[in-house]
Amino acid sequence: QSVLTQPPSASGTPGQRVTISCSGSSSNIGSNYVYWYQQLPGTAPKLLIFRNNQRPSRVPDRFSGSKSGTSASLAISGLRSEDEADYYCTAWDDSLSGQVFGGGTKLTVL
Amino acid sequence: EVQLLESGGGLVQPGESLKLSCAASGFTFTNYAMTWVRQAPGKGLEWVSTISGSGGHTYYADSVKGRFTISRDNSKNTLYLQVNSLRAEDTAVYYCAKADGATTTTGGYWGQGTLVTVSS
Repeated sequence: QSVLTQPPSASGTPGQRVTISCSGSSSNIGSNYVYWYQQLPGTAPKLLIFRNNQRPSRVPDRFSGSKSGTSASLAISGLRSEDEADYYCTAWDDSLSGQVFGGGTKLTVL
Repeated sequence: EVQLLESGGGLVQPGESLKLSCAASGFTFTNYAMTWVRQAPGKGLEWVSTISGSGGHTYYADSVKGRFTISRDNSKNTLYLQVNSLRAEDTAVYYCAKADGATTTTGGYWGQGTLVTVSS
């Protein structure tokens, strides 16, 4: 059981907007930055969003992040086939004195 | 260009030990916390351990506390993970990652991973 809770799966059709949620607590999301990663099979995770809503320059603006209280979400607009991947949220947890991950969400582009 | 290159993985028997290394380049190594994250076959990402830039502070997941030791040699720009008393459930790809700025959370730079397989 992961400390951060994500839906195990999500899906959408090309061009659609999908949102992936990440629920935590006051000791992690509620008091620290949230980061989002995309992982394709057999590759290292790739940073999509850092510090809740900041996007690295190489990441398309179709990807956006937000945070409210103890929850965060990743939105992908204009869905493309190459977005089919696993997505993870993560944050530092002050109570556990460690980094915690969500269980991951497998995104399928129909 | 930031580069992280892990090495040291392999096939070991339960109870044996390994020392994983992560050679860093392209940034001022001592200025950043570093982290090990692992991923078991077909499973999600699991945080293992983090060490501060100076090496003075270390943090461990409960699942590895007492068996794994994180360390760094700032003169060699290298991060280490000594893994002892290995169990089948430690089988995973082990990634090293650079922290985001002054935080202790992983940022945008990860190595390619090194596979540790624990099996008799």
